[in-house]
Parts: sequence; C-alpha cells; structure tokens
Amino acid sequence: DTGVSQNPRHKITKRGQNVTFRCDPISEHNRLYWYRQTLGQGPEFLTYFQNEAQLEKSRLLSDRFSAERPKGSFSTLEIQRTEQGDSAMYLCASSFETTNEKLFFGSGTQLSVL
Amino acid sequence: GENVEQHPSTLSVQEGDSAVIKCTYSDSASNYFPWYKQELGKGPQLIIDIRSNVGEKKDQRIAVTLNKTAKHFSLHITETQPEDSAVYFCAASSAGTGGYNKLIFGAGTRLAVHP
Repeated sequence: DTGVSQNPRHKITKRGQNVTFRCDPISEHNRLYWYRQTLGQGPEFLTYFQNEAQLEKSRLLSDRFSAERPKGSFSTLEIQRTEQGDSAMYLCASSFETTNEKLFFGSGTQLSVL
Repeated sequence: GENVEQHPSTLSVQEGDSAVIKCTYSDSASNYFPWYKQELGKGPQLIIDIRSNVGEKKDQRIAVTLNKTAKHFSLHITETQPEDSAVYFCAASSAGTGGYNKLIFGAGTRLAVHP
C-alpha cells in the first residue's frame, strides 16, 4: 500500500489549453473524492465517486470541469479551456466505505495557468 | 450553507509549550470531525479524528475535544516540537448523496514551533 498517488505533481499550462490529472487511490478503497485547494485556504469539495458511479458532481466549478472513474479504480479530472482562476492545488482522496470511514489524501497536482 | 470557522489563523509557540486550535461548525447534522496536518508541498495528512458519540479522544501528544451543543471542537497539542510546525485543518462532515462523508474544511492554522 503506497497511499493515494497523483500525477503529475506540477502542471504549467497556457490559458485556453485542456489539462488532465490522474489519481490512483489506495487499492481497496471504493470511494474517491476530488478537492481543490487555493493558497491560504482549506480544501474545497468538488466531486465524489462510489466505485465507478459519480454520485455527487454539483460542486464541480463549471461545465469546463469533468471527472471520470471508468473501472472503479483510478480517476481523471479534466479541465477544458483553462483560465487563470483555475490555478490551484487539485487533491484526490480515497476511503473505504465503513462506519469508521477515514479519508486519505494524495500529494496533489499543482496547476499554474499562465 | 455548511461552514467551518477555524481560529487562530497563525499560532507561534516555544518548543515544549502547548498549542490549541479551535473550530466551530454550522451543520448540526455533522457527526465526524477529522484534523489534518499539511506540510509544504504535500497533501493533508489525517492526524486524529472524533465522532459525535465521543466527547474527547487522545493519541499521545494530540487530543481532540467536541462540544456538540455549542458546535465547537478543538485540537490540543502538548509538548510541541519543531516538527509539529505545519498548517493544521479542521473539518466537519456533511452528509452527501449515498451517505458519503463530504468534508467541509476550515481555512487552516499555520503553527510555528520555535526551538
């Protein structure tokens, strides 16, 4: 068990480009979450998967944001037509559905939009 | 809407002193309260958590207390060490579709422990 893995660690892109981030959760975890963290703030919830089903996506910031978890294992978060305001740390977390559920975070992908 | 307020935003202590960080939450249905430590360039690391059926929990130098009536919970670190220096976040759960834990985070407390 190597924890939650996120790639890339850093991404620099030009405004208007599309970017995709990948998250590999802890292997036995069936729940996966995406959060966004801006400088000086706590993580902000974006979306949630239970296995391959995306059960909550209302907090995705706009229709430029989309996430998938096609086989219930890894997940991708895509931002289309990036804007400077999208610059932030994108965090992935995973958990196992139990009465004592605990969320474990990856190290994040730091996005800079120029 | 759901909200978690965290105080103070910065905290500076001498090595060996205690540190206390306080949070309040708005959603009375919240029943899970984790604390995370975040070091520079890393993701948040879970350090301790408490559920609503417990008033206090301790793990070595770290303790958390919960007052559900007042919607307050606090993190206590005793005998602080320089390696405790980091940003600490409190969070409160808010039930989401399918019963998952949607965590609402505070804005963080930057703790500096001086030797």
